[in-house]
Amino acid sequence: GAGVSQSPSNKVTEKGKDVELRCDPISGHTALYWYRQSLGQGLEFLIYFQGNSAPDKSGLPSDRFSAERTGGSVSTLTIQRTQQEDSAVYLCASSTFTDTQYFGPGTRLTVL
Amino acid sequence: AQSVTQLGSHVSVSEGALVLLRCNYSSSVPPYLFWYVQYPNQGLQLLLKYTTGATLVKGINGFEAEFKKSETSFHLTKPSAHMSDAAEYFCAVSEGSQLSFGAGTTVTVRA
Repeated sequence: GAGVSQSPSNKVTEKGKDVELRCDPISGHTALYWYRQSLGQGLEFLIYFQGNSAPDKSGLPSDRFSAERTGGSVSTLTIQRTQQEDSAVYLCASSTFTDTQYFGPGTRLTVL
Repeated sequence: AQSVTQLGSHVSVSEGALVLLRCNYSSSVPPYLFWYVQYPNQGLQLLLKYTTGATLVKGINGFEAEFKKSETSFHLTKPSAHMSDAAEYFCAVSEGSQLSFGAGTTVTVRA
């Protein structure tokens, strides 16, 4: 079966613009995670969705970041008013309840 | 709160030599431990994981890791390096939903 997919694979934007990053998890996986990978900070947890429960947003770095998960499947991570420090690879992962997380290929975001 | 320390940001080995990547963790509860590998411009691929039971865990591509509670370690080894093992390796610990990752170790393999 298909793994976790993410789109776009690369995104270049100008400072101050909004961007949306998409994640399609593995079918049947109830949990979905977003992480950010940057040179200075390594791999950082951003947000976690589990079924219909309220998401764990404890890793979001600022209120410019938000995410939603529609219908318990596809998720969109939105970054408003992008800044240069938002440049990073954004990784999505999915899992069954508390099981191994399987990662997508990531979206490389470059803010000019 | 848990944390992960990977000793050595870069490791260089000869083809056919032992690969040893060190990982130490801190956790207030019995941890779930993972090793992931990342090839250039790709996502993270699970190599192996420890949850409970046998402390020596075997993974894909000939890698294995041993959970040592007394040393709070989960070092990754492979007896004989192959050129295709060149990648970045991440140790991670989970206490529930999110993973906390080490800084990563980049492995280069010399012919």
